[in-house]
Amino acid sequence: DVKVTQSSRYLVKRTGEKVFLECVQDMDHENMFWYRQDPGLGLRLIYFSYDVKMKEKGDIPEGYSVSREKKERFSLILESASTNQTSMYLCASSLEQGLNTGELFFGEGSRLTVL
Amino acid sequence: QQQVKQSPQSLIVQKGGISIINCAYENTAFDYFPWYQQFPGKGPALLIAIRPDVSEKKEGRFTISFNKSAKQFSLHIMDSQPGDSATYFCAASIPHRLAFGKGNQVVVIP
Repeated sequence: DVKVTQSSRYLVKRTGEKVFLECVQDMDHENMFWYRQDPGLGLRLIYFSYDVKMKEKGDIPEGYSVSREKKERFSLILESASTNQTSMYLCASSLEQGLNTGELFFGEGSRLTVL
Repeated sequence: QQQVKQSPQSLIVQKGGISIINCAYENTAFDYFPWYQQFPGKGPALLIAIRPDVSEKKEGRFTISFNKSAKQFSLHIMDSQPGDSATYFCAASIPHRLAFGKGNQVVVIP
């Protein structure tokens, strides 16, 4: 089974702190994604990466950056956390098959609270 | 801009009933339409998916109906069970991008 592991299930940070959310997948997938999930807004794409050291902005990249130094690891960085970044963050991966199948494998999420 | 619109927002169904969730899209470039199921405390997981060259796909109690001309698709859960209580997301994809609907919370009461 594909496993996507997010290092922290729950985090509490203060406004202005730098926050790292780590994600590791064990199935050699090319694509990795960071989504944010908020009630009533569904899943919104922050950033994605289709190769090591490659990254693309999603729909809501402002206030976030990402890093992908190794194929299996994709990190989301909040340079200066703000209260409006309090949310559930979901990492996902997918296998590149030429044509996108749309099948994403998600981690269990990291719930971030910014005070 | 909401690329995939999902309705209703929430649904309460009696055990044994049929749950129906509808989605609509605008971008005709979408070529793959999955549904994801999410239980509390878990990440979403792929439930069932369809491509636009077929009008219906069935897997067990779950069926997707697809209407290409109307740019709509729907999920039917037959014989709904309390274990089906979850949040359901429709989605539409083009290479490297997957647009999600806002989600629908389904509650199946015994």
